[in-house]
Amino acid sequence: AQTVTQSQPEMSVQEAETVTLSCTYDTSESNYYLFWYKQPPSRQMILVIRQEAYKQQNATENRFSVNFQKAAKSFSLKISDSQLGDTAMYFCAHTNAGKSTFGDGTTLTVKP
Amino acid sequence: GAVVSQHPSWVICKSGTSVKIECRSLDFQATTMFWYRQFPKQSLMLMATSNEGSKATYEQGVEKDKFLINHASLTLSTLTVTSAHPEDSSFYICSAFITGGPFPYNEQFFGPGTRLTVL
Repeated sequence: AQTVTQSQPEMSVQEAETVTLSCTYDTSESNYYLFWYKQPPSRQMILVIRQEAYKQQNATENRFSVNFQKAAKSFSLKISDSQLGDTAMYFCAHTNAGKSTFGDGTTLTVKP
Repeated sequence: GAVVSQHPSWVICKSGTSVKIECRSLDFQATTMFWYRQFPKQSLMLMATSNEGSKATYEQGVEKDKFLINHASLTLSTLTVTSAHPEDSSFYICSAFITGGPFPYNEQFFGPGTRLTVL
């Protein structure tokens, strides 16, 4: 069974600064995908960024990037130039054949 | 991405009654749909995996007789909470998944969720 650990229950960052959210996982599978999702107060799950495990290059999406360390089973999310709209709960997820295991989440607050 | 809808978005019911929640993939045919339960400020807990035309697979600890799942077509799955009690009050989220096709990244598409309150 897969496990996903997010060790930071809450974090805060000043607007325009950079913040990194941590995620580690454990899996015996060789082919899998990793995702970061954002859940704002509306509670709609929003895809932030995805990473295919077979790709060594770290994924980037505008202000969001990941540091994927496959051997260490680490998948952290970096948010640059933080904006007030980034305030949300963030979930890291390990996915294989569509089935996902989620971490406990990190509540991020961006302060003006 | 693809769009998944849930209906209703919010439901209040009396203890002992049954409530049905619908999950629809609006612009694609889903191979699989998943049902999650989420308590405030907690993670998503997978309840069951639903494949069209076959019985749902429930996670350990989830009562299949209480949470009835029907996946009648490739675009519709329903979750019925039978004989609901206050402890069933929660936020229920569905997601839809398709193997390969236009979405090759094992990505789930989430519905907006349904808030169930049982009085």
